[in-house]
Amino acid sequence: QVQLQESGPGLVKPSETLSLTCAVSGYSISSGYYWGWIRQPPGEGLEWIGNVYHSGSSNYSPSLKSRVTISVDTSKNQFSLKLSSVTAADTAVYYCARHGAYNSGWPFDYWGRGSLVIVSS
Amino acid sequence: QSALTQPPSASGSPGQSVTISCTGTRSDVGYYNYVSWYQQHPGKAPKLMIYEVTKRPSGVPDRFSGSKSGNTASLTVSGLQAEDEAAYYCSSYAGSNTVVFGGGTKLTVL
Repeated sequence: QVQLQESGPGLVKPSETLSLTCAVSGYSISSGYYWGWIRQPPGEGLEWIGNVYHSGSSNYSPSLKSRVTISVDTSKNQFSLKLSSVTAADTAVYYCARHGAYNSGWPFDYWGRGSLVIVSS
Repeated sequence: QSALTQPPSASGSPGQSVTISCTGTRSDVGYYNYVSWYQQHPGKAPKLMIYEVTKRPSGVPDRFSGSKSGNTASLTVSGLQAEDEAAYYCSSYAGSNTVVFGGGTKLTVL
């Protein structure tokens, strides 16, 4: 069974960089699939942030592209998110998830439980 | 790239059917047969219910079905049950290796 677990600081100061890691178990990232990040501000909807392949190739939401970096560490079977210059608008629950097959439209078939990140001084 | 449009709320009585719409553009929903639907209970992670417009992952009841016409996709829940009360989100592949979500619909079982 594929399992994902987010980890990282729950509080980040404005203008600093938000950093989260997603540890994957039950499946080797090196075996394939894209691995993504999605966020959900309190009481609001889901927003796709971006994804990464085991090769390191990544894709980002156009609205966040200038501030986002997603990387992968296959030796640790985990991938990471960095979001720079954060503001209160970046306060959200951040989920990591596995994209399903590309020829199925990349549905998210496995999700982590989510990690709440609050941006505040 | 704009979010897909969903009604904020929908409701139905137990045993009834309810349909939730998801409207995009010719560049996402209208172009690709890559619409997915997710169910999210409060405080929980979303769960994949439908992918590729009409397909159900293993374990999802056949009471859940999807369809698409033009730029609008739909999720129908038949034989409503109390546990179906949740938020539902659509998403679509939007080209250029990007994904877009809808704003979500809160389904209430009366």
